[in-house]
Amino acid sequence: EVQLLESGGGLVQPGGSLRLSCAASGFTFSSYGMSWVRQAPGKGLEWVSGFSGSGGSTSYADSVRGRFTISRDNSENTVYLQMSSLRAEDTAVYYCARPVYADYYYYGMDVWGLGTTVTVSS
Amino acid sequence: QSALTQPASVSGSPGQSITISCTGTSSDVGGYNHVSWYQQHPGKAPKLLIYDVTSRPSGVSSRFSGSKSGNTASLTISGLQAEDEADYHCSSYTSSSTHVVFGGGTKLSVL
Repeated sequence: EVQLLESGGGLVQPGGSLRLSCAASGFTFSSYGMSWVRQAPGKGLEWVSGFSGSGGSTSYADSVRGRFTISRDNSENTVYLQMSSLRAEDTAVYYCARPVYADYYYYGMDVWGLGTTVTVSS
Repeated sequence: QSALTQPASVSGSPGQSITISCTGTSSDVGGYNHVSWYQQHPGKAPKLLIYDVTSRPSGVSSRFSGSKSGNTASLTISGLQAEDEADYHCSSYTSSSTHVVFGGGTKLSVL
C-alpha cells in the first residue's frame, strides 16, 4: 500500500526552528518528486515547497523562501522540511504529497499523508 | 502568486448536480491543461478527484467530472449524495517560479 506519514510537528516559539519528516512506503520513492502543502486553521491549501523527481530541482512559495529548506534521503525513503525563523502565520497542518507524474511535483498530487500540526506561538 | 478564485460555498439537494468554479488567468488555468481538484472532509487529508482538467484516478466515482473554458475550470458533481458534503480545492500548474497554485476552497453543503 502506498503511504506517506508525516512527523515532527509541535509547538514552537516565534523565531524558532522545526524539522518535519515524511516517511514514504509502497512505491519507488527515489523516482518521485514530492511536495509539502500546508493548511492554516479554517483556510485553504497552500503549496509550500517541492522538488522534481529527476535532478531534484527545488522550489519554494514566496512566503517561506529563505526560511524553509526541503530535502530528501532516498536511503530512508524520507523527505524533510527544515523550517526556521518561524512566524505565527506558519501555524498550519503540514502535508506531504506525491505527484501524479513522478517527475513533476506540480501536475497534481495523488497521495497525501495525514498531516502534522505546527503551532507557532509564545 | 495570487490564489485561484473559488466560491466560498455552494449547496445542493440529494440527487441534484452542482458545479464549482475555479478562476485563474492565462498564466495558470487558461494556459495549461493541468488543473486538479481535491475533496477534503473535516479533519482529513485531501483526496485527488480530478487531474489534467478531466482525468479521474482509478477508484474515483464517475459522478465527479471536470472541465475548462478559458481561464475558468469547473468541477461538476452529479447525483449529489450526503457523503459529498466536504471542502473542495482546485489547483493548477502556473508559469510562475513556484509552478503550483491553489484556490481558496469551496464548502459544499448537501441540504
